[in-house]
Amino acid sequence: AQTVTQSQPEMSVQEAETVTLSCTYDTSESDYYLFWYKQPPSRQMILVIRQEAYKQQNATENRFSVNFQKAAKSFSLKISDSQLGDAAMYFCAYRWGAQKLVFGQGTRLTINP
Amino acid sequence: DSGVTQTPKHLITATGQRVTLRCSPRSGDLSVYWYQQSLDQGLQFLIQYYNGEERAKGNILERFSAQQFPDLHSELNLSSLELGDSALYFCASSFGGAGELFFGEGSRLTVL
Repeated sequence: AQTVTQSQPEMSVQEAETVTLSCTYDTSESDYYLFWYKQPPSRQMILVIRQEAYKQQNATENRFSVNFQKAAKSFSLKISDSQLGDAAMYFCAYRWGAQKLVFGQGTRLTINP
Repeated sequence: DSGVTQTPKHLITATGQRVTLRCSPRSGDLSVYWYQQSLDQGLQFLIQYYNGEERAKGNILERFSAQQFPDLHSELNLSSLELGDSALYFCASSFGGAGELFFGEGSRLTVL
């Protein structure tokens, strides 16, 4: 069964600095998707970034970028120039084909002003 | 706005009662997924429907059931409610292929 592990229950960073959230996953598939979702205090699930496993290039969305290491089954999220609005719970997620999303347990990110 | 609509947003009920949560997927999306998120926990997959048929089941309790109707909206029925059923229930949808799921705002259920 596919599993997703986020080893950092909590992280904190100073405003304007850079922070990296870690995620590892386990799968025997070769073609899949990986995602980072953000859940702010409103509890809404917001897609931050997605990565297709067949693409070698790391995905980037403005201040958010990933470091995708397929062989190591690692998928970390880097947030540059952290802003107060980035404070949230961040979930790493895996999806193969049309199946369900499998989520990690989440990392709570605090931004210190 | 994800395009996924969930009702009600909040629901307070008593133990032993039954409730129904409703989800309207994004226009054109054929797959609906239900997830449960207890306080400060991750999202646990409950069940998936594709074009009216059950596609996959997670750790869904026997007291819970769901269905997807011909117009593609879905309902999650929770019966004989217990205190531990208090949680945020998310519905998500996708067209059917690979890619991200689009989440509704969730239905917060409180069982007293």
